[in-house]
Amino acid sequence: QTVVTQEPSFSVSPGGTVTLTCGLSSGSVSTNSYPSWYQQTPGQAPRTLIYRTNTRSPGVPDRFSGSILGNKAALTITGAQADDESDYYCVLYMSSGTYVFGTGTKVTVL
Amino acid sequence: VQLVESGGGLVQPGGSLRLSCAASGFTFSNYWMAWVRQAPGKGLEWLATIKGDGSEIFQVDSVKGRFTISRDNAKNSLFLQMSSLRAEDTAVYYCARDNDYKMDVWGQGTTVTVSS
Repeated sequence: QTVVTQEPSFSVSPGGTVTLTCGLSSGSVSTNSYPSWYQQTPGQAPRTLIYRTNTRSPGVPDRFSGSILGNKAALTITGAQADDESDYYCVLYMSSGTYVFGTGTKVTVL
Repeated sequence: VQLVESGGGLVQPGGSLRLSCAASGFTFSNYWMAWVRQAPGKGLEWLATIKGDGSEIFQVDSVKGRFTISRDNAKNSLFLQMSSLRAEDTAVYYCARDNDYKMDVWGQGTTVTVSS
């Protein structure tokens, strides 16, 4: 079974930069996995941040950016703000036509 | 553009439940649609996706044979029929629009609790 791994947690200072990653239990993540990223605060539905590796969804601040770093997908928050404190999930598209969510990363801004 | 789920509730282990998702504000039949769930305190889990005309379905292996995704384009509605429910199926269930390899519109979720 495919497992998509993310760091469990990160702490970043206000104004700081943090890079979250999204890796496959076996193999590398590429643009062919169409990585997307979602932000979720407690009790709320997820919000789409990034799709197709590095395209921001409408209304998403440009301090959020996506990329491929080595063999993983990455989400970078540059100039973190207090309201960026959330859970972040990546999703990878599999060649079988299915999707797999990552394990999620809790970001704390302090 | 809006998705509104309904049909959640308390069900006994082994029971069945049918979730619905009402779509509005977009041409429903043009889009793939998906179900995603989140167990209490846990991460998100993709369950299934169905093509706009209903001709293709993809599902996670863990629910094959127990959960069935379907749609009624005339009613702009998406469904998830769940049977043989287990305690581990307790979760918030979200419907989402599956658009260009991303889930770009989400409902507010409906809660399913499986307990005796």
